[in-house]
Amino acid sequence: AQSVTQLGSHVSVSEGALVLLRCNYSSSVPPYLFWYVQYPNQGLQLLLKYTSAATLVKGINGFEAEFKKSETSFHLTKPSAHMSDAAEYFCAVMVNRDDKIIFGKGTRLHILP
Amino acid sequence: DTEVTQTPKHLVMGMTNKKSLKCEQHMGHRAMYWYKQKAKKPPELMFVYSYEKLSINESVPSRFSPECPNSSLLNLHLHALQPEDSALYLCASSQEGNTPTGTQYFGPGTRLLVL
Repeated sequence: AQSVTQLGSHVSVSEGALVLLRCNYSSSVPPYLFWYVQYPNQGLQLLLKYTSAATLVKGINGFEAEFKKSETSFHLTKPSAHMSDAAEYFCAVMVNRDDKIIFGKGTRLHILP
Repeated sequence: DTEVTQTPKHLVMGMTNKKSLKCEQHMGHRAMYWYKQKAKKPPELMFVYSYEKLSINESVPSRFSPECPNSSLLNLHLHALQPEDSALYLCASSQEGNTPTGTQYFGPGTRLLVL
């Protein structure tokens, strides 16, 4: 069965510091992977997606993620955190021939001034 | 344009009421979805309409019933809900439907409170 594990339900970083949100997946076939962001009282916004093209994927708002098959990981990074990045981040996997998305439990990112 | 709209933004209803949530997209997407999201939890899939065929999460109670009047609209009819149904209800759509690369675009959600 496919699954996604996000390490750390809460992550705090200082403004200007590196953001690293961890995501590991489990899939018996090559997966399609997504990162979504959810600001308070809003829906989910797609940050970026991996669909078996380039392993380093660039998204919106300066975020990027790298697909590492050997580590079954798809960690999200941003070189310099901004206060506006404070939100809930969800990693998700979609499996070939199945349009159901499986979400991780989410990581709340806190930005410290 | 990747906009999915949902109305109303907020809804308060009693357990004997009947109400409907509405979702609309004009991106020509052929798949639309309803999710339920409780506080501090990820979204849970309730229903999928893909190329006008309905798929149901078997754990969703019958007091929720989806309707797809056309390919741009998706409704969720609510009847005799329970307080534990209070949540954020999210609609999403995707272009590719039931193909592997379908990216789902989400609406802002309807915040539902059942009293």
